[in-house]
Amino acid sequence: EAGVVQSPRYKIIEKKQPVAFWCNPISGHNTLYWYRQNLGQGPELLIRYENEEAVDDSQLPKDRFSAERLKGVDSTLKIQPAELGDSAVYLCASSPGQGLKIDTQYFGPGTRLTVL
Amino acid sequence: GQQLNQSPQSMFIQEGEDVSMNCTSSSIFNTWLWYKQDPGEGPVLLIALYKAGELTSNGRLTAQFGITRKDSFLNISASIPSDVGIYFCAGLLNYQLIWGAGTKLIIKP
Repeated sequence: EAGVVQSPRYKIIEKKQPVAFWCNPISGHNTLYWYRQNLGQGPELLIRYENEEAVDDSQLPKDRFSAERLKGVDSTLKIQPAELGDSAVYLCASSPGQGLKIDTQYFGPGTRLTVL
Repeated sequence: GQQLNQSPQSMFIQEGEDVSMNCTSSSIFNTWLWYKQDPGEGPVLLIALYKAGELTSNGRLTAQFGITRKDSFLNISASIPSDVGIYFCAGLLNYQLIWGAGTKLIIKP
């Protein structure tokens, strides 16, 4: 079974430029999460989707961050414009569904973003 | 946001030694999870704990859900080189995982 796929794996951009990350969750997983992980810290949730609905985006900096999961499968996270402080690893995770063990989150390898 | 206090921050041990790490919080959690993250990869779930006082093993790993529901412990017995990495605890609160800052395990050759 394929795991969570993320691309790109690495991205280097200059500040004020836009950037987008893509995630394809495990097939059949209804719940999708985007996390940001700063160096030396644990992941912090940005947004959680149940199918195509964003059910928790309270931690998403909405002035510059946006996300979508139009068909309830793969998802895109965008930053526009990027700032120096956005440098981090952006992790995508998926889990089977709200009614099941939602704690069983499977993580992708992440996208390491460097903003210069 | 909320944080878990995870300690130690890093550990240098000899191969074959036992390892202990823990997490504490001011909040009560219904689920405690322990993950391992290798460089360049996402976290991988090691052990999930669902009940206060629960003791669960996964091979050489043993984790416990504290009685107060505010702490958890992870032990690794007879460490081997592939145990190196960063270990994270996480508590589940209202469908959101609250993470510790990680314990970096380094094994001296």
